[in-house]
Amino acid sequence: QVQLVESGGGLVKPGGSLRLSCAVSGFTFSDSYMSWIRQAPGKGLEWVSHISSIGLTISYADSVKGRFTISRDNSKKSLSLQMNSLRAEDTAVYYCARTMGFFDYWGQGTLVTVSS
Amino acid sequence: DIQMTQSPSPLSASVGDRVTISCRASQSIRKYLNWYQQKPGKAPKSLIYGASSLQSGVPSRFSGSGSGTDFTLTISSLQPEDFATYYCQQSYITPPFTFGPGTKVEIK
Repeated sequence: QVQLVESGGGLVKPGGSLRLSCAVSGFTFSDSYMSWIRQAPGKGLEWVSHISSIGLTISYADSVKGRFTISRDNSKKSLSLQMNSLRAEDTAVYYCARTMGFFDYWGQGTLVTVSS
Repeated sequence: DIQMTQSPSPLSASVGDRVTISCRASQSIRKYLNWYQQKPGKAPKSLIYGASSLQSGVPSRFSGSGSGTDFTLTISSLQPEDFATYYCQQSYITPPFTFGPGTKVEIK
């Protein structure tokens, strides 16, 4: 059974940092491109970042470039998102998803709230 | 970047109705168009990829069509569990992977 479980969300002050994790099981993680996608409260979906199967190809949305860093540990079947210099507009539910061009498997999401 | 638009939003319909949701890309994306369903408080679920390929386990009342810039998601007979928000997403020129703004299907 496929499972993606995000963790690490919470309340953080503007300018602060947070690290999200996504633990994967049920498919061959080391063969899979992975992405982070977010959804601000009451808003639509926004792709944030993706990473190739062995981490050689990485890309970011312009809105997070230079502040967020995606990484993966294939030995632990784990995906991470280091978020620095957080802003109020980064407040969202963050999902990890397997990326096949489309996003076929999604986690349940973790809420990040940036507020003073 | 490729921009995606959707119409209508919201969409009011009744159980048993045939429902059509449109998605348009700002430039040709061939058939690299994907559809998702999202219910309140839940993660999105993949419905259709490659414009018309049904994801495993998705009921056959869902279908997708189109190519180039204009695409359609059709629900042949709306069921109570289909009331949700539907998003299209292009995967032709990435990054970024861009989503449409969503179409909320509401009870009439």
